[in-house]
Amino acid sequence: ERVMTQSPATLSVSPGERATLSCRASQSVAANLAWYQQKPGQAPRLLFYASSTRATGIPARFSASGSGTEFTLTISSLQSEDFAVYYCQQYNNWPRTFGQGTKVEIK
Amino acid sequence: EVQLVQSGAEVKKPGESLKISCQASGYNFANSWIGWVRQVPGKGLDLMGVIYPGDSEMKYSPSFQGQVTISVDKAISTAYLQWSSLKASDTAIYYCVKQRDYYLDVWGKGTTVTVSS
Repeated sequence: ERVMTQSPATLSVSPGERATLSCRASQSVAANLAWYQQKPGQAPRLLFYASSTRATGIPARFSASGSGTEFTLTISSLQSEDFAVYYCQQYNNWPRTFGQGTKVEIK
Repeated sequence: EVQLVQSGAEVKKPGESLKISCQASGYNFANSWIGWVRQVPGKGLDLMGVIYPGDSEMKYSPSFQGQVTISVDKAISTAYLQWSSLKASDTAIYYCVKQRDYYLDVWGKGTTVTVSS
């Protein structure tokens, strides 16, 4: 099973600042990685797939990159609506596995 | 618009059975894998399994194999998640998810299942 490790667990950022989230796979998952955003009381929603392809309706301030075992999600200028928990998920191997999440909170 | 509409919250006792549902609309139900994700309160996400409605092929994550049953009714574009004997540890939110090219592109709003004596 591919273990996905996200860091940091919590990221405290001021509105307008840049946030960088990391996701590491225990073995290569190629570019078969997705990112999801979950706000309190809501279902997760897809942000990126294929490591760096933005899903429909996702603002350009979000970007993602990586391949193999190292992946990054960047939010260039945090808006109030971006404070949430972010999960990475590999879909290269079964079982599909998620990271434990990074909470982006207001500093 | 693609939508996954899930059944309402459930409160059950340990040992009871339960079947929750997810009705899909806005796409060809038979041609996309659909599945379930568990989220224990305050915790992360676990993909339990997926099913291909076209031929009912199923894949379960090892942690959930034998613990739950995923099924579909193509005639009404509905997926199900079923337990035969609930445990307190099944208390969680269960999300119905549509799979596209192996990632999860559409999520239902979730069904809260509480198992308590």
